[in-house]
Amino acid sequence: DAEITQSPRHKITETGRQVTLACHQTWNHNNMFWYRQDLGHGLRLIHYSYGVHDTNKGEVSDGYSVSRSNTEDLPLTLESAASSQTSVYFCASSEGTAYGYTFGSGTRLTVV
Amino acid sequence: KQEVTQIPAALSVPEGENLVLNCSFTDSAIYNLQWFRQDPGKGLTSLLLIQSSQREQTSGRLNASLDKSSGRSTLYIAASQPGDSATYLCAVNDNAGNMLTFGGGTRLMVKP
Repeated sequence: DAEITQSPRHKITETGRQVTLACHQTWNHNNMFWYRQDLGHGLRLIHYSYGVHDTNKGEVSDGYSVSRSNTEDLPLTLESAASSQTSVYFCASSEGTAYGYTFGSGTRLTVV
Repeated sequence: KQEVTQIPAALSVPEGENLVLNCSFTDSAIYNLQWFRQDPGKGLTSLLLIQSSQREQTSGRLNASLDKSSGRSTLYIAASQPGDSATYLCAVNDNAGNMLTFGGGTRLMVKP
């Protein structure tokens, strides 16, 4: 069965370190998204991609970057981790505008 | 900018009750609206997707309605069960470009 997987499930890192969160989907969806979920703020869009080599900034993109070298993967990189980036990160994919989203199980990131 | 609001933020009901969760959005120019369920510490599970041209969608004991002109959607849960306890999120996909804007969620507890 097709799926969307995120790794790692949990990560603790130190302030200032570079961190990369992985997202891999086997749905063959062109559209992929990264969200963060925080108490009091709900889910907010970080970056998104409509296809290979396409990337776009979302609502809260400062301090994050993504790259899309193939259809299946959209890794999220925190260039220099900050305590404000402690959050739960969700990756999602979609076949297109008329279709729903499928979400991964999330990565809980703690920056100490 | 699209804003999505969910009322109530929390709800506690005895088992067997029928209940309604509310979702409102400020910009009626949407492609579709999606309801999700999130269990504590878990990812988002899609429940129902309603296209802008549809009035309602049903899946088992769940029924979602959409009134696009008034910017409202409701999720009706019939004969609630303790296993329905979770946070329910609504999200709209609008003309901004296949991106979801989420409400803050309704945390539901169904007591045995």
